[in-house]
Amino acid sequence: EPEVTQTPSHQVTQMGQEVILRCVPISNHLYFYWYRQILGQKVEFLVSFYNNEISEKSEIFDDQFSVERPDGSNFTLKIRSTKLEDSAMYFCASSETGLSQPQHFGDGTRLSIL
Amino acid sequence: AQKVTQAQTEISVVEKEDVTLDCVYETRDTTYYLFWYKQPPSGELVFLIRRNSFDEQNEISGRYSWNFQKSTSSFNFTITASQVVDSAVYFCALSYSGGYQKVTFGTGTKLQVIP
Repeated sequence: EPEVTQTPSHQVTQMGQEVILRCVPISNHLYFYWYRQILGQKVEFLVSFYNNEISEKSEIFDDQFSVERPDGSNFTLKIRSTKLEDSAMYFCASSETGLSQPQHFGDGTRLSIL
Repeated sequence: AQKVTQAQTEISVVEKEDVTLDCVYETRDTTYYLFWYKQPPSGELVFLIRRNSFDEQNEISGRYSWNFQKSTSSFNFTITASQVVDSAVYFCALSYSGGYQKVTFGTGTKLQVIP
C-alpha cells in the first residue's frame, strides 16, 4: 500500500539553526499537510498546501516556518532560527482530493532542539 | 470554531475486556468528517476510520466498532475483546467543509491493555 514517507526519522539541531524536514506524499495525492505534536500533547495543524500554494495555516505557522514543493515528489517544511519550543514530532500528511478523502500520515520526524 | 473533546485521558483494561473511547465534537458546519487515529508507542499515526456527517450508520470492522450520533455530537469507538496490541493513544478528529481539510484533533485517550 502506498505510504507517506518522512526523512529523517530523528533530527537533532542546535537552537538558532535552520532545519528542513522532508516528506514524500503518496504519488497521486494533491493535498499536503504538516502537523506538529509536542511530546505528550495533541496533534496540531500547521499548514495545508494545494496547487503549489498554502491554502490554510494555523497561528502556529508564523514567519519562522515555510513550506515548499521543490519538485514533483517532495514536500518540505523549513524552520528558520529554531527555538527550544520547536522540539516536537512533525507529521506530514497527504490526501487524494476533496474533503471526502482521509489524510494519510507519515511516521513523523522527531525534532530535538538543543 | 471546531473542537473535539476526549474526556478520558487514560483508560486501563484487562485483556479481553471491552472498552469504549468517548469523543464529542463541536462544529457549525453541516458537512464534516470524523476520524479515529491510533498512535502506538512507536509514534506513527494510523488511520482507522472516516465518517461523514450524513451517514449515521454505525460501523463494525472486526473487533472495532463506531457509534456516530449527531443528536449528541458524539462519535464513540468501542474495542471488543481488547488485546495487548491495542495499547496506544487514540485520537478522535474532525475536518469540515470550510477548512480545506484541516483536521482538528482531540487530546487523545491513552489505552493500556493489561495482560
